[in-house]
Amino acid sequence: KNEVEQSPQNLTAQEGEFITINCSYSVGISALHWLQQHPGGGIVSLFMLSSGKKKHGRLIATINIQEKHSSLHITASHPRDSAVYICAVRRYGGSQGNLIFGKGTKLSVKP
Amino acid sequence: EAQVTQNPRYLITVTGKKLTVTCSQNMNHEYMSWYRQDPGLGLRQIYYSMNVEVTDKGDVPEGYKVSRKEKRNFPLILESPSPNQTSLYFCASSLKAGTGVSGANVLTFGAGSRLTVL
Repeated sequence: KNEVEQSPQNLTAQEGEFITINCSYSVGISALHWLQQHPGGGIVSLFMLSSGKKKHGRLIATINIQEKHSSLHITASHPRDSAVYICAVRRYGGSQGNLIFGKGTKLSVKP
Repeated sequence: EAQVTQNPRYLITVTGKKLTVTCSQNMNHEYMSWYRQDPGLGLRQIYYSMNVEVTDKGDVPEGYKVSRKEKRNFPLILESPSPNQTSLYFCASSLKAGTGVSGANVLTFGAGSRLTVL
């Protein structure tokens, strides 16, 4: 079983829809990252969080440490949001530099 | 411009021919790391470095070497490449890599290096 699981694997939405991508993990963590990989391959860091909620524009990330679960929400989705969204966790204690990744959620937003 | 630069961006090579993928950052970051990305497997960490002269294995270090002799550079060395090392490679850096979620731990990625080993 993977230590970081994302769902859904693929997601197709209509422009304007509210989107939720989920990330569950089975290890103790010190932080969780949400990344966006553009169709061209480049990767951008969207959020890093260890508790509560963060918001940036139309993107909202939440994390529940007790339930070992995080969600990435996109409000009023737009075709330019089409990308692969990747969750990554940094293990608590031990090797702080070690990151474990989910396999990503491919989002396609249709106009 | 603050960035992580990887070279080469594309490379086709043959089994056994030593190669180095360079990674350089101009942000005075302490933490640097290498990942490979494969279809169906996602991103996996190869090696990371918490600071100069400090490196550690990630989840898939076999067949790779790294060094961190100076802060800005973190080259990935494939001493004897094999076809199973055909992949898309990313380098990333952050100011720090400790606990906490300050901006110091936000990752900046290079553009990627697509390597094919025949």
